[in-house]
Amino acid sequence: EIVLTQSPGTLSLSPGERATLSCRASQSVSSRYLAWYQQKPGQAPRLLIYGASSRATGIPDRFSGSGSGTDFTLTISRLEPEDFAVYYCQQYAGSPSMYTFGQGTKLEIK
Amino acid sequence: QVQLQESGPGLVKASETLSLTCTVSGGSISSYYWTWIRQPPGKGLEWIGDIIHSGSTNYNPSLKSRVTISVDTSKNQFSLKLSSVTAADTAVYYCARLRWELRFFDYWGQGTLVTGSS
Repeated sequence: EIVLTQSPGTLSLSPGERATLSCRASQSVSSRYLAWYQQKPGQAPRLLIYGASSRATGIPDRFSGSGSGTDFTLTISRLEPEDFAVYYCQQYAGSPSMYTFGQGTKLEIK
Repeated sequence: QVQLQESGPGLVKASETLSLTCTVSGGSISSYYWTWIRQPPGKGLEWIGDIIHSGSTNYNPSLKSRVTISVDTSKNQFSLKLSSVTAADTAVYYCARLRWELRFFDYWGQGTLVTGSS
């Protein structure tokens, strides 16, 4: 099973700042199968990025994803108040078919 | 706009079977994969399994012995059964649509809290 480790666990920033969230895999992951989600308290996760770098429908362009192999990054260029939430990365691996999530990064207002 | 809604008991006694249904509206359940994901209170997300309209399934190996996912295309619904429930199965259970071509989850239900009572 591929383990995804997200860092930092908590990131304290102010609105307007740039956020960089990391997702590291225990072994190489296909970029095609790497996604990022945002989750606010009491809500379901919301898809932000798929295929490591493609924004989902309706996602602002301040959100961007990058990376390959074992290291992936979610960047929020200028934080808006509504961006403070928990972020999860997710990957798929076959044989057997399996989806795993990172443990999450909490982005909080400084 | 596709919408998903989970339904089922919020409390399940230990050793009994958890049963949830997800109703899909705004689109046909056919031609897509559908999935169940859970989240224990204050913790991260765990994929449980998925199903396509034909009934073919994939399950998380760690839960495979206890999980059954089924689909009813006539009702645009799919369902989850998890047997031999314990307190460790207490979680918010989400149903979601799986985009198989790139293996991501694009539409989610609001989630339903199920408590496994000891």
